Amino acid sequence: DQQVKQNSPSLSVQEGRISILNCDYTNSMFDYFLWYKKYPAEGPTFLISISSIKDKNEDGRFTVFLNKSAKHLSLHIVPSQPGDSAVYFCAAGLQGGSEKLVFGKGTKLTVNP
Amino acid sequence: SAVISQKPSRDICQRGTSLTIQCQVDSQVTMMFWYRQQPGQSLTLIATANQGSEATYESGFVIDKFPISRPNLTFSTLTVSNMSPEDSSIYLCSVDTYRETQYFGPGTRLLVL
Repeated sequence: DQQVKQNSPSLSVQEGRISILNCDYTNSMFDYFLWYKKYPAEGPTFLISISSIKDKNEDGRFTVFLNKSAKHLSLHIVPSQPGDSAVYFCAAGLQGGSEKLVFGKGTKLTVNP
Repeated sequence: SAVISQKPSRDICQRGTSLTIQCQVDSQVTMMFWYRQQPGQSLTLIATANQGSEATYESGFVIDKFPISRPNLTFSTLTVSNMSPEDSSIYLCSVDTYRETQYFGPGTRLLVL
């Protein structure tokens, strides 16, 4: 049973436009969420996180939105740049728990010049 | 954040042999994690390694196959034992910070022939 789902395996966007990456989860006990970016031959790099007490968190060009009732979160990248081309993973965890993270399968973002 | 290194970065191994992967962190951390990413799949947690105690394994992973050592607060090893082609994956270590964010090493790419 996949608790964190990224239903779009790939996304292609033009440079300068908005990239929207989506993630759904099934376990209502998750109370914090993270996005990671991964380039080939490198480990995942932490991008941004959000606690369940918030519905939005912004860091520069990256904004994460959380809709708890829909068990859905999204990552917005504005404006998109070619260097943003990577695989993006959504992850969910439990505060005060075992600090384990559950990852989605990732979405490969391609930003075209 | 934490700076994490892994050795080896990649290896090609023969069926039936074992490989030990090292993970070094530039600061003392309580919790270290070992993940596996099979081709086209998400990151799957193998085990959590705490210094001074036995590693905690996730469902589907056993100590005989993936023995882990955690001799101090900056170092851990994961051994992939009696390898088969199905063990071909990227193996990643990560550490958890007090801000509930995990930081990942660059990964070890393993190919078993």
